[in-house]
Amino acid sequence: GENVEQHPSTLSVQEGDSAVIKCTYSDSASNYFPWYKQELGKGPQLIIDIRSNVGEKKDQRIAVTLNKTAKHFSLHITETQPEDSAVYFCAASSLDSNYQLIWGAGTKLIIKP
Amino acid sequence: DAGVTQSPTHLIKTRGQQVTLRCSPISGHKSVSWYQQVLGQGPQFIFQYYEKEERGRGNFPDRFSARQFPNYSSELNVNALLLGDSALYLCASSRMTGTGNTEAFFGQGTRLTVV
Repeated sequence: GENVEQHPSTLSVQEGDSAVIKCTYSDSASNYFPWYKQELGKGPQLIIDIRSNVGEKKDQRIAVTLNKTAKHFSLHITETQPEDSAVYFCAASSLDSNYQLIWGAGTKLIIKP
Repeated sequence: DAGVTQSPTHLIKTRGQQVTLRCSPISGHKSVSWYQQVLGQGPQFIFQYYEKEERGRGNFPDRFSARQFPNYSSELNVNALLLGDSALYLCASSRMTGTGNTEAFFGQGTRLTVV
């Protein structure tokens, strides 16, 4: 079955700098890759997603890139702000798995003032 | 529009008891999925329902069961609770057109504590 690995587990960056979180997946049939932000005591919030027919997608300060050959995808946050502090999860899904989301272990992003 | 709503938000149960968690999806969404999130880990898939039929089941014991109602709301039942069942239970709602995966939106979760 699918396995998703996420790195780093903790990332501390200075406010205003960029943050990059990386994920790798094992199942070449995976074709949908969402990223979620989870704040303490809340459910995950979808922030951006990408499908396998696209290499990059941007939404204001957030971007996601996908390398299907290498089976990895990354989340890029530019001009980080204090409100970006949270745990970020990557996930992958495919038709073979009936679109159930397989999640990474999460990255705790800390924005230092 | 209301988002995904889950009830209750917090629950404390004793080992061996049974619990029922409830979820109302976003209006127009026909698919509901349930996930278990243990503290410090990513969510683990439990069940997916689409049009009242089970579409997927994760690696959870038979003590876990679920159903979806005609109005697309859903219940997750856990019998014979164990201490290890303590977790945040998340419900996700999606349109699930059947021709491809669509965005999944999560509720705030139900925090279950088994003592």
